[in-house]
Amino acid sequence: SAVISQKPSRDICQRGTSLTIQCQVDSQVTMMFWYRQQPGQSLTLIATANQGSEATYESGFVIDKFPISRPNLTFSTLTVSNMSPEDSSIYLCSVAGLQGKEGYTFGSGTRLTVV
Amino acid sequence: AQSVTQPDIHITVSEGASLELRCNYSYGATPYLFWYVQSPGQGLQLLLKYFSGDTLVQGIKGFEAEFKRSQSSFNLRKPSVHWSDAAEYFCAVGGSGTYKYIFGTGTRLKVLA
Repeated sequence: SAVISQKPSRDICQRGTSLTIQCQVDSQVTMMFWYRQQPGQSLTLIATANQGSEATYESGFVIDKFPISRPNLTFSTLTVSNMSPEDSSIYLCSVAGLQGKEGYTFGSGTRLTVV
Repeated sequence: AQSVTQPDIHITVSEGASLELRCNYSYGATPYLFWYVQSPGQGLQLLLKYFSGDTLVQGIKGFEAEFKRSQSSFNLRKPSVHWSDAAEYFCAVGGSGTYKYIFGTGTRLKVLA
């Protein structure tokens, strides 16, 4: 299965600033996924990042707040913009296996605290 | 509506005891089912998966799970828990033709020495 490197692993940021999270995969993948895990809650899909096209956002998430780049088949970034304390979460990137049967492989996550 | 329910938020077991974590799902098509484990400060690791065939599936770290279609359940079991199993466990459901999985809210396992 793919190996995903995600950074930073954690950060403490001031409200109103932005943070860009990077995700590097050791193999080429068509789709990459960004999830948010709020404290004590489950995972919520933010968006699907396809190489060469705009990301597809889930309900409740917008591009202005969470812009995503996908410059090639092994790399993606998620930016959390104009942060507020409510954005404090773990952000995870992931890739999926064949036809959805193989489950996700996740990066180690970015623990974001906004103060 | 599609959903995953993990009824137990916290479970505490003694080391060496058996473990069962419950997962119930609601899904309109044939489900693909997964269990993930998240250790503190870590990402999620796939423990096991089911999408067809034998309803009892074996995973890593000595875990197994049984798919029961009639009960819409996919419970995770381990016969003898180790202290290193203390973590949070997530059940997830997906389906053919989709890469979007629905995750449960997780069960946090504590292991007593």
